[in-house]
Amino acid sequence: EPEVTQTPSHQVTQMGQEVILRCVPISNHLYFYWYRQILGQKVEFLVSFYNNEISEKSEIFDDQFSVERPDGSNFTLKIRSTKLEDSAMYFCASSEADSFLSYEQYFGPGTRLTVT
Amino acid sequence: AQTVTQSQPEMSVQEAETVTLSCTYDTSESDYYLFWYKQPPSRQMILVIRQEAYKQQNATENRFSVNFQKAAKSFSLKISDSQLGDAAMYFCAYQGSQGNLIFGKGTKLSVKP
Repeated sequence: EPEVTQTPSHQVTQMGQEVILRCVPISNHLYFYWYRQILGQKVEFLVSFYNNEISEKSEIFDDQFSVERPDGSNFTLKIRSTKLEDSAMYFCASSEADSFLSYEQYFGPGTRLTVT
Repeated sequence: AQTVTQSQPEMSVQEAETVTLSCTYDTSESDYYLFWYKQPPSRQMILVIRQEAYKQQNATENRFSVNFQKAAKSFSLKISDSQLGDAAMYFCAYQGSQGNLIFGKGTKLSVKP
């Protein structure tokens, strides 16, 4: 069964450093998402991406964040200068289409980011 | 803005018994989808069940069923014949016109043998 994969599974970085989180969505999917979950809290939407551009973004997704689909298979989330409060689990998700066509979002296993 | 509320931070159920997890939401949209996701200790997000708002019939998936009350904006999850493997965090989620999922804070379900 096709699945969304994410690398690395755990990333430790120092405050102020740049990190890139990688995701490989399911191959025929067109919509891609990043969510994050601070430990013990709810899952929060960051950004959605379609046709090589951002569709929607939340207020969390500020100028420190960017997304890219560099090669047609990977989907990346970059945090330019990490802060302690960026420590969280980051989930990538993908779907065949948008909500009104009722397509499920498939989640990857997540990347745990620890900022020290 | 849409919101999702799960008022039960923790629930407990005896193995083989039935438990109901509550969820309410607020929206002005008429077309939307509702989901229950399970998050075991591995923290993988696993879809349990989905409900289309335009469908009056409640969704069922084996031991999992929902009670969808559109007018009341209520979407509860019933787990029948609870098993030890059902122990996890359960998140209720809303998906509207923007496509992204809006999650509740979750309910931690414990299953006692």
